[in-house]
Amino acid sequence: EAGVAQSPRYKIIEKRQSVAFWCNPISGHATLYWYQQILGQGPKLLIQFQNNGVVDDSQLPKDRFSAERLKGVDSTLKIQPAKLEDSAVYLCASSPRSKTSGGETGELFFGEGSRLTVL
Amino acid sequence: LAKTTQPISMDSYEGQEVNITCSHNNIATNDYITWYQQFPSQGPRFIIQGYKTKVTNEVASLFIPADRKSSTLSLPRVSLSDTAVYYCLVGDNSNYQLIWGAGTKLIIKP
Repeated sequence: EAGVAQSPRYKIIEKRQSVAFWCNPISGHATLYWYQQILGQGPKLLIQFQNNGVVDDSQLPKDRFSAERLKGVDSTLKIQPAKLEDSAVYLCASSPRSKTSGGETGELFFGEGSRLTVL
Repeated sequence: LAKTTQPISMDSYEGQEVNITCSHNNIATNDYITWYQQFPSQGPRFIIQGYKTKVTNEVASLFIPADRKSSTLSLPRVSLSDTAVYYCLVGDNSNYQLIWGAGTKLIIKP
């Protein structure tokens, strides 16, 4: 079974430039997550999709970050304009489970991440 | 959302059993306890999940006392390749993915 695919693996940009990251989750997985992981910290959830709808984007800096999952499959995360503090690894994860009122969480499947360096 | 507290780092030696404890005093009745492992330059990987007592799989065991205010991840006979950061999360399917702590950096020495 193919895992979560992300691209590009590495990106270096100047501040105020824009960048886009792409994620293709495991086939059939309803839920897709984007996380930001700054060096030395745990992942921070940016946005969660269930199929093509946004479930949670409360921690997404909406003035500069945007994300979409138009057909409920792959997803794109964009940053425009980038700031120095956006330097991080952007992780995509997927899960076959839909967000419900509770119950067992199951496993999140992560991609290898996209490392962004903003100069 | 229940927060977790883990040691920042731990050292051990090859062949030893390693136990990493996570404190989650405010765990809710519906919350599960989940552990992930992360190697440098990779995304986290699921290790184990449990609700109470003991859960074991081919990789690790998870011990959860009756009050569920803490949990212990047990890695039997570690090797150098177990050097990684280990994250403990609590929650149910509606919220557990929201808060990740800094994890425990485990270093295995020869």
